[in-house]
Amino acid sequence: EDKVVQSPLSLVVHEGDTVTLNCSYEVTNFRSLLWYKQEKKAPTFLFMLTSSGIEKKSGRLSSILDKKELFSILNITATQTGDSAIYLCAVGSAATGTASKLTFGTGTRLQVTL
Amino acid sequence: DAGVTQSPTHLIKTRGQHVTLRCSPISGHKSVSWYQQVLGQGPQFIFQYYEKEERGRGNFPDRFSARQFPNYSSELNVNALLLGDSALYLCASSLVRRSGTEAFFGQGTRLTVV
Repeated sequence: EDKVVQSPLSLVVHEGDTVTLNCSYEVTNFRSLLWYKQEKKAPTFLFMLTSSGIEKKSGRLSSILDKKELFSILNITATQTGDSAIYLCAVGSAATGTASKLTFGTGTRLQVTL
Repeated sequence: DAGVTQSPTHLIKTRGQHVTLRCSPISGHKSVSWYQQVLGQGPQFIFQYYEKEERGRGNFPDRFSARQFPNYSSELNVNALLLGDSALYLCASSLVRRSGTEAFFGQGTRLTVV
């Protein structure tokens, strides 16, 4: 059974801190790893990673994938209160010969305080 | 350009009833997937539809069914509702059915079964 594990489960930091969120996975027929930010309802797409060792950056957020060790990290520098959210890691896999699906972790709840 | 739209946003149903949830994907996206997210967990894959055909199904009972229309919108139907079906139902659209492409989520439908 496909499995995605995120750590830590929750985190409280002060504004300005740097945080690292972890995601490890065991899936059959790996295709991609995606990071989402979920504040109230809709998960908002952050990154998709398909190749090992290539960092993706968007402003203060960055992410990298290690396909040999089967994990990814999401870094957030100079955190702001608006970064408070649940961060979801999902792995895309070919569920059958013609289908595809995302398997999600339980998420990391990040709270940024003043 | 409109994102993924879902309706209704909230719904309260009684045990034993059935429910229909609707999703319109991003214009040009032909793949629609449905996910169930219960409180404190990551979303769980229910179905994927591509070009109006079911391409994948998660570990959900036959009470769950779906379809995709010629305009690529989709409906998720749940019969004989149970209390445990209370959850946020998310629809994701993507350009192609392979997991190597970004999936974008709608705001979700919050279903409460009483």
